[in-house]
Amino acid sequence: EAQVTQNPRYLITVTGKKLTVTCSQNMNHEYMSWYRQDPGLGLRQIYYSMNVEVTDKGDVPEGYKVSRKEKRNFPLILESPSPNQTSLYFCASSLYATGNYGYTFGSGTRLTVV
Amino acid sequence: GESVGLHLPTLSVQEGDNSIINCAYSNSASDYFIWYKQESGKGPQFIIDIRSNMDKRQGQRVTVLLNKTVKHLSLQIAATQPGDSAVYFCAENSGGSNYKLTFGKGTLLTVNP
Repeated sequence: EAQVTQNPRYLITVTGKKLTVTCSQNMNHEYMSWYRQDPGLGLRQIYYSMNVEVTDKGDVPEGYKVSRKEKRNFPLILESPSPNQTSLYFCASSLYATGNYGYTFGSGTRLTVV
Repeated sequence: GESVGLHLPTLSVQEGDNSIINCAYSNSASDYFIWYKQESGKGPQFIIDIRSNMDKRQGQRVTVLLNKTVKHLSLQIAATQPGDSAVYFCAENSGGSNYKLTFGKGTLLTVNP
């Protein structure tokens, strides 16, 4: 089944403890992206990747890192999480880095930082 | 399930009625638009898309209308069913070197049996 898989689905952590949210897609998509979703603010892009080893900042990159060593994986790293990073996170992928193709989203990761 | 749509515009309809969800987009240069459906506890799911060289596109029970003059997009759902209850987002490809979709805030559709 074609899908984007995120793990974990739920995570509660403490301020300052490094964590990684994994994202993997099995569709050979070039483009991958991370979004966070907050009430009243909608979906906001954190980072994106046009292809392997090509990543760049989105609208709200502060406090996050990403890597794209393989085409299928795009992990989101929080080096020192803070309570304002409590949010619902979505990984998404798209067939190509340019052109008009919709995103396929993962099921989300609910992160709580205390 | 998660609450992903606090403070959202809401639309409440009776089962079997037609629903119309509206969206105003921001960038007159956007050339591609998508409607997504998000059910509680799930990621957004693609419903239908439309390119800027069209003003209407139909799918199964759904129709998207695009009015570029006033930068307005609408999603029509025919014979709305309880399973259509969800938050609906419009998204636009605002162009640039980053193929980024910019999402609207969403509308919560509730279908009453």
